[in-house]
Formats: sequence, C-alpha cells, structure tokens
Amino acid sequence: GDSVTQKQGQVTLSEDDFLFINCTYSTTTYPTLLWYVQYLGQGPQLLLKVTTANNKGISRGFEATYDKGTTSFHLQKASVQESDSAVYFCALAHFNTGNYKYVFGAGTRLKVIA
Amino acid sequence: DTTVKQNPRYKLARVGKPVNLICSQTMNHDTMYWYQKKPNQAPKLLLFYYDKILNREADTFEKFQSSRPNNSFCSLYIGSAGLEYSAMYLCASSRRDWGGEQYFGPGTRLTVL
Repeated sequence: GDSVTQKQGQVTLSEDDFLFINCTYSTTTYPTLLWYVQYLGQGPQLLLKVTTANNKGISRGFEATYDKGTTSFHLQKASVQESDSAVYFCALAHFNTGNYKYVFGAGTRLKVIA
Repeated sequence: DTTVKQNPRYKLARVGKPVNLICSQTMNHDTMYWYQKKPNQAPKLLLFYYDKILNREADTFEKFQSSRPNNSFCSLYIGSAGLEYSAMYLCASSRRDWGGEQYFGPGTRLTVL
C-alpha cells in the first residue's frame, strides 16, 4: 500500500537558519503531494501542494519539489522565523474509486529559537 | 468562513462507555473525513462520507460508526470505548473536485480511563 516517511521527529533551529525536512513516499499511483502545518491548538492546514512530477510548490517562503525519480517531496525554507515553530506533515493523495484517499507521514516538529 | 468546528474539544470517557464526537462545516463540502492521531504517529484515516455514502477503512470497520444527517454535520461514534481509543480525533472536509485539499478542525482529544 501507499506510505509516507518522515524520518525526522524533531528539528531545532535558530532564527534565520535554513530548514530542510525530509519526506519520501511509496505508491503505485500518480499522487498529489502535500505539506500541512499544524500550529499549537489548531488543526493541520494546507501549506502547499503539487500535482505534477518535477514541479515545485511555493508558499509563504516554503518550497517543495515533487521528485518522481527519488520519490521525495522534501520541504525547505531559506530562513526560518520563530513563528514557523509547528508540526509539519507530508502527505499524498490519490483519486481511487471515485474519492480521494490520503496517507500522512508521522510529522516533524520544528522548534525555532529566537 | 473556512473553518471546521469540532465538539467537544476534550472528552473524558470510561472504558466500556459510548462516545460521540461532532464535526461541522459550512463550506458546502461534499466530503467529510475522520482521522485518529496518536502521539508521534501519522494521522490514520478511519472513515469518510462522500455526500451520503459512508466509506470505512477495512481495519477499523467494526470499531467506529458515523452518521451524516445533513451536508454540514458528521459524527463519529464509538460504541464501547477501550483504553486504545485514547487519541486526538481530527475531522476534515473537502470538495472532491479540489484535487486533494482538505480543511481540518482543531480536533477532539479523547481520554479513556
């Protein structure tokens, strides 16, 4: 079945550091790939999504590239701020038998120290 | 209003007792989902409604029930709570023609004692 792997459980950075969160996936379909961000006390909210292989999604300074060759969708940001502290989930969605099905990674908790 | 609401935010239940969680959205989304989230684990899809059609995942088929009396509301029902049901329950909604984007509620934290 489909799977999404986020190897980093927690990442701690200082403000203005470069962010890299690893995400790899496994599927036999051509999925949409998504990143969600969950701030404390809130539900996950969509950060960015990409539907076509080798395309890049960009939002709020974050970017991720759908790499079909390496089956990866890593999240990057050039310079993090304390307000970026949150949990980041990588996910894939594919359309199957009339509905979208979703598979999430376990999440990476980002802590940014001022 | 692009919010998904969940009630209650916190729920304490006794082992063997029923639990009913509520979700609502006013965005006229055709699909509503329920996920179970445990610490350091990925959100796990339990079931979803597309319009009035309920789809339950095979491995949680008999553990959870749901109803959707109208487009805006969806409930998650546990007939007899066990300790293993302690988790965060997330509700989400979407439109099937949106290409995968879901809106999530803040979750209900269920603790079974």
